[in-house]
Amino acid sequence: ETGVTQSPTHLIKTRGQQVTLRCSSQSGHNTVSWYQQALGQGPQFIFQYYREEENGRGNFPPRFSGLQFPNYSSELNVNALELDDSALYLCASRLAGPTGELFFGEGSRLTVL
Amino acid sequence: DQQVKQNSPSLSVQEGRISILNCDYTNSMFDYFLWYKKYPAEGPTFLISISSIKDKNEDGRFTVFLNKSAKHLSLHIVPSQPGDSAVYFCAASALQGAQKLVFGQGTRLTINP
Repeated sequence: ETGVTQSPTHLIKTRGQQVTLRCSSQSGHNTVSWYQQALGQGPQFIFQYYREEENGRGNFPPRFSGLQFPNYSSELNVNALELDDSALYLCASRLAGPTGELFFGEGSRLTVL
Repeated sequence: DQQVKQNSPSLSVQEGRISILNCDYTNSMFDYFLWYKKYPAEGPTFLISISSIKDKNEDGRFTVFLNKSAKHLSLHIVPSQPGDSAVYFCAASALQGAQKLVFGQGTRLTINP
């Protein structure tokens, strides 16, 4: 059983650019969510996808968008990057249901200059 | 608006003794609570959870206590081992809605030999 994998692990962008982060869910998991973890803070919920549709969103602007594919892999896209977008972006997957535990990937560390 | 708070950024405990990590929450809609552990360069890993219908859940060396009236939960690790040195995040969710997790800021636990 493979775990949650994310790519790239590190990347550097400049302000105003766009970035796409990718995630491969744990086998059999149909729900994926993305979190942003700023330095010294806990992860913050960005959004969640279930069966290719967004079914929950945190307090993030529309320039944060996502996709979930039929094989349950996922993308996080961020447009018009700002300096404050520098953070660790975590993807997590789980089975649908109220108390399914989240399994996290190692994260993609984004630096915006 | 920090709905989940871990007021101790760090904790140092001697090997073999008890480690107690604390977490407070403000949202009375939260009814499921989890603890995650994070090593450097890895994603958070699930440790233990508790539903609001219980006040205690135990798994080996790890016990979580929930005091709903005080909106407080704690994680006890007995006995503490060097491998327990990590950042511990408390998280909460409401079973309704998107089941997003709201995380605290984390507590860095160091176990000294």
